[in-house]
Amino acid sequence: EVDLVESGGGLVQPGRSLRLSCAAFGFNFNDYAMTWVRQAPGKGLEWVSSISGNGASGGSTHYADSVKGRFTISRDDLKNKVYLQMNRLRAEDTAVYYCAKSPGYSSNYFDSWGQGTLVTVSA
Amino acid sequence: IQMTQSPSSLSASVGDTVTITCRASQDISSSLAWFQQKPGKAPKSLIFAASSLQNGVPSRFSASGSGTDFTLTISSLQPEDFATYFCQQYDGFPFTFGPGTNVDVK
Repeated sequence: EVDLVESGGGLVQPGRSLRLSCAAFGFNFNDYAMTWVRQAPGKGLEWVSSISGNGASGGSTHYADSVKGRFTISRDDLKNKVYLQMNRLRAEDTAVYYCAKSPGYSSNYFDSWGQGTLVTVSA
Repeated sequence: IQMTQSPSSLSASVGDTVTITCRASQDISSSLAWFQQKPGKAPKSLIFAASSLQNGVPSRFSASGSGTDFTLTISSLQPEDFATYFCQQYDGFPFTFGPGTNVDVK
């Protein structure tokens, strides 16, 4: 059974950094694209970043304009983990961050979600 | 690509049939997914490729559409179906979600 477990959230001051992790279980991790999606309190879902699996596109990454240049997605296929390094955090980055798995090595729709980890950016 | 949903909320009773509409600002072919989310919980994937059910999703959920106009229909609404429903396009980056439709108890 597929399971995704996020960690690393917490309270952080504006301008500081935080790294989120998502541990994957129950599937051949390196074959699948992974994505981070966030949800600000009381708001809708916002796609943040995706990284492809190790197919023809070889770990290509994509970012929302709102995080480009500040956030970096990466994956460690030996540890079955995907990461989101978040730098220069802003109050508007406050959200629950979910990792999600795509059904193939290309990023498209999601077939499994983690439970989320809350990031609060506040002085 | 901008995604819109209507209605933003609706009230229904157990046993009702409800329909939610999602519209894309440009042609996305069939690259559309639907999710269900309950308060304090992670989203759950329901539909991909506009009309295909994810494994384990009850058959009372159905969806259709292509291009710019899509619908999600829940037949014979069950108590566990009261939730917020989001659509999402994955035709191209950046992926975008609709604002959600809240289905609550009449």
